Amino acid sequence: QAVVTQEPSSSVSPGGTVTLTCGLSSGSVSTTYYPSWYQQTPGQAPRPLIYNTDTRSSGVPDRFSGSIVGNKAALTISGAQADDESNYFCVLYLGSGIWVFGGGTKLTVL
Amino acid sequence: QVQLQESGPGLVKPSQTLSLTCTVSGGSISSGGYYWAWIRHQPGKGLEWIGFIFSSGSTYYNPSLKSRFTISIDTSKNQFSLNVNSVTAADTAVYYCARLYSYGYVLDNWGQGTLVTVSS
Repeated sequence: QAVVTQEPSSSVSPGGTVTLTCGLSSGSVSTTYYPSWYQQTPGQAPRPLIYNTDTRSSGVPDRFSGSIVGNKAALTISGAQADDESNYFCVLYLGSGIWVFGGGTKLTVL
Repeated sequence: QVQLQESGPGLVKPSQTLSLTCTVSGGSISSGGYYWAWIRHQPGKGLEWIGFIFSSGSTYYNPSLKSRFTISIDTSKNQFSLNVNSVTAADTAVYYCARLYSYGYVLDNWGQGTLVTVSS
């Protein structure tokens, strides 16, 4: 089965911009994989941020944005804040009712 | 606001059956456009999609998993369930139930997750 790849960790300065990526071992990620992004802090349920590549979920601030960059899906956080420090994972739809999760990126704001 | 809550034993013995239930509140499990999913997070690994079910009973499972997993739904109770047969220590994980919005291809509501440990 295809493997979804994410950076294990990343960091950003307060107020800075960071882009997290979501790749596919078997090829390029495109909008047809309907990439979605989630934020999860330890002990909490995951919170949906972005779906269908670039649509923000309800209540998500516009400093979170989604896109395709090169051959990967991307989540960009602009004007990072301390409470953005969290784990972020992506999910891809491979078709035929099959979904695959990325391993997640631990984001540090420092 | 729809809420999901997992329930079930926190400890299961090897070779037994793990049974979890997800209770949906604040909305009907029969609402069109939604699937009801189970996902797990094994220690030291990423999240793993197990499968999902529609209110009609149609199911989709992760083909990478062996056929030990069964998802069912009880619309009269607004619940759906997961059974895992012949569990081993590798089935130790936090199990999440979630709602999948089919038109947006997004898991838009999640339960808090429940830790299940497989141990004798």
